[in-house]
Amino acid sequence: QQQVKQSPQSLIVQKGGISIINCAYENTAFDYFPWYQQFPGKGPALLIAIRPDVSEKKEGRFTISFNKSAKQFSLHIMDSQPGDSATYFCAASIGGTSYGKLTFGQGTILTVHP
Amino acid sequence: KAGVTQTPRYLIKTRGQQVTLSCSPISGHRSVSWYQQTPGQGLQFLFEYFSETQRNKGNFPGRFSGRQFSNSRSEMNVSTLELGDSALYLCASSLDPGQRDIQYFGAGTRLSVL
Repeated sequence: QQQVKQSPQSLIVQKGGISIINCAYENTAFDYFPWYQQFPGKGPALLIAIRPDVSEKKEGRFTISFNKSAKQFSLHIMDSQPGDSATYFCAASIGGTSYGKLTFGQGTILTVHP
Repeated sequence: KAGVTQTPRYLIKTRGQQVTLSCSPISGHRSVSWYQQTPGQGLQFLFEYFSETQRNKGNFPGRFSGRQFSNSRSEMNVSTLELGDSALYLCASSLDPGQRDIQYFGAGTRLSVL
């Protein structure tokens, strides 16, 4: 019940295209959903995060869409750039003092061709 | 402001040995979480320390332990190393995840067990 399932495992997009990564969860106690971006040799870095009382959050070219009833959330990267090529992880955590315990999806390797 | 610092960056050990990894959080951060990253299992939560107390624990055997000092620096220890312990060990710090503060990750310590 703690699992977060992420798809696809890998994604190839042309420069200027839209990248879409999907995640699904089972545990309805999750109430914080961040997305992390990781470049080779680096630790993950927070990209954008959402709470379940919001259906969409946009920051620049990055948008999270959240569907509470379906227990799904997704990351959209608009106007994808070669510099966006990285591994993306969705994550979730339960509230209160458990926010420090993130459950991660398996990751999506995004390649943006110039 | 310095980021999260993990030392050493690389480590090679043999089966049966023990190892200690160190994490220095961002100045002022009181929470440190540890994660194990492997190609097969992805990112898995090990434990979280807040104000020198273990606040959350993942599903890892007792060979994995940690502690946090009064200056918020943290160490994790793995005893009786197994081949399967080869992984990238990441730590993340935040002011207080209970306030949904951002978790900032270090670059990790890559442990190879031979």
